[in-house]
Amino acid sequence: ETGVTQTPRHLVMGMTNKKSLKCEQHLGHNAMYWYKQSAKKPLELMFVYNFKEQTENNSVPSRFSPECPNSSHLFLHLHTLQPEDSALYLCASAVGGIDNEQFFGPGTRLTVL
Amino acid sequence: GNSVTQMEGPVTLSEEAFLTINCTYTATGYPSLFWYVQYPGEGLQLLLKATKADDKGSNKGFEATYRKETTSFHLEKGSVQVSDSAVYFCAQSNFGNEKLTFGTGTRLTIIP
Repeated sequence: ETGVTQTPRHLVMGMTNKKSLKCEQHLGHNAMYWYKQSAKKPLELMFVYNFKEQTENNSVPSRFSPECPNSSHLFLHLHTLQPEDSALYLCASAVGGIDNEQFFGPGTRLTVL
Repeated sequence: GNSVTQMEGPVTLSEEAFLTINCTYTATGYPSLFWYVQYPGEGLQLLLKATKADDKGSNKGFEATYRKETTSFHLEKGSVQVSDSAVYFCAQSNFGNEKLTFGTGTRLTIIP
């Protein structure tokens, strides 16, 4: 039990669909992150939230829309995606401040047809 | 800017062999250093960390020493097992910075 859960674990969607990824952490952390992991590419940081406020948007296309309603939940809303967006999307959380150890969820494997 | 460079994979070793995966970093200030491991089909898990120079992180037989003079944090294990097959990521973060900077990952395969 990592304390960070992600749903769904697998998602297949067409380019015109709208879907959402959910991340929940049970660790009492204040910072949450979305990463994209593609084959043969480095881990890409997408968004950072700290105390529910977005503090980083790493030039992510607007077809990805994050939402952080509280410190325990993080969503990634997806719409009109492209096949190259197919990847493993990882959520992580951290205490924040001087402790930067991040705890990762198992990821959502997304396939865009 | 801050960066992490780790050895290219894939690395294939026989069971009970000695493992070294090299990692070097560039940073302003004095970062904390981490090794994460990703087993097939899973997210990343923290393997070990070190927060200041000369600290040694260790876990599950793996070790890494924070070397400020060579800006390195090489991962070592004396005798690897098939269950160690995974992708290993080196990472750093600076004091007060909420982000981790990751290396590209090194895929390790251990054959019986």
